[in-house]
Amino acid sequence: DADVTQTPRNRITKTGKRIMLECSQTKGHDRMYWYRQDPGLGLRLIYYSFDVKDINKGEISDGYSVSRQAQAKFSLSLESAIPNQTALYFCATRLGTSGISEQFFGPGTRLTVL
Amino acid sequence: GDSVTQMEGPVTLSEEAFLTINCTYTATGYPSLFWYVQYPGEGLQLLLKATKADDKGSNKGFEATYRKETTSFHLEKGSVQVSDSAVYFCALLKGGQNFVFGPGTRLSVLP
Repeated sequence: DADVTQTPRNRITKTGKRIMLECSQTKGHDRMYWYRQDPGLGLRLIYYSFDVKDINKGEISDGYSVSRQAQAKFSLSLESAIPNQTALYFCATRLGTSGISEQFFGPGTRLTVL
Repeated sequence: GDSVTQMEGPVTLSEEAFLTINCTYTATGYPSLFWYVQYPGEGLQLLLKATKADDKGSNKGFEATYRKETTSFHLEKGSVQVSDSAVYFCALLKGGQNFVFGPGTRLSVLP
């Protein structure tokens, strides 16, 4: 079973619709992240959470919101989707207490906003 | 702020060719450096890392050496395979802060 799962894997929606992307992890990690990937721009951080009660904005948080429902779950919402939010979205986790530790990524959600 | 720069792609090589993907960084202090790989349709996965100057990370035939004097962490492989076709990301991490990723370099290896 995958350690970091994302649902849905693909989504096509229309401008103005509300969309929620979900992320779950079984790694027991405290830190969770949402990134978007656009061609030529690499990964850009949207939001991150160091524990259930801690939510922080990343470099491109405008137009997005998040919810950390439990240590294992971190959801990303687009309140009113717009076409330039068409991208590949990745959730990632990391164990914050282990010093120099890697991030583990989910398989991604491809979102298309028409 | 901290940043990572990578050579622009795409890079196209024949099988068994030598690979170098350049990565340089800008950061205060002493970051740890990473290479991640993204195979088609998948998320990123760690390829190798180095935590201090002159460390060499290696995995699956890939190597990279942390060069503090040139602020570089170039990825190399002596003989690439078709299965190495992917997007490669250089990244840095400082202390308890967040990762900073480069823009990625797409590698295509032809049989």
